[in-house]
Amino acid sequence: GAGVSQSPSNKVTEKGKDVELRCDPISGHTALYWYRQSLGQGLEFLIYFQGNSAPDKSGLPSDRFSAERTGGSVSTLTIQRTQQEDSAVYLCASSKGGLRGAQETQYFGPGTRLLVL
Amino acid sequence: GENVEQHPSTLSVQEGDSAVIKCTYSDSASNYFPWYKQELGKRPQLIIDIRSNVGEKKDQRIAVTLNKTAKHFSLHITETQPEDSAVYFCAALDFGASKIIFGSGTRLSIRP
Repeated sequence: GAGVSQSPSNKVTEKGKDVELRCDPISGHTALYWYRQSLGQGLEFLIYFQGNSAPDKSGLPSDRFSAERTGGSVSTLTIQRTQQEDSAVYLCASSKGGLRGAQETQYFGPGTRLLVL
Repeated sequence: GENVEQHPSTLSVQEGDSAVIKCTYSDSASNYFPWYKQELGKRPQLIIDIRSNVGEKKDQRIAVTLNKTAKHFSLHITETQPEDSAVYFCAALDFGASKIIFGSGTRLSIRP
């Protein structure tokens, strides 16, 4: 079946503009995760959605970042008033059972490369 | 909160030799430890994982060991091949806290 998809694949924006990044998880996966990966760096955990439960937002870098997941499926990560330090690859992943279940294997999307000029 | 440290940051081994990457974690409540491989320009993919009730797990040329007392776990790759060249990430998951923390990655290069 189809894997995790993300759009856009690349985004170039000017400092101060808002951007929206989209993630379509694998069908049937209840858990969805957002990560940020700066060039040559590790994966920074941002936020995690489990079904329709309210997410833990404590991993978001600042209040300019927000995320939502509608209908327990598609998720949008929004960055307001972008800054140059927001430039990174934003990766989305989904898993069948989530962090509290037995099926934790995360399947990653191809990522969105964000460049803030 | 959980903190995961990964060493070394870069590793170069001769083809056919073994490679070992080590990670330590700080939160004794962490109970699931996956390893991901990320090839250049590609997405991370799970290669092996281990739960806290197991000390070792093996899958062909890849093995992971876990020492809960010392709070460290290691990835072992034997008979390395060129296609093993990639960045490897360890991670620790605390089910209770619903967070997963990744190490900073190890760039593994296999010399022909």
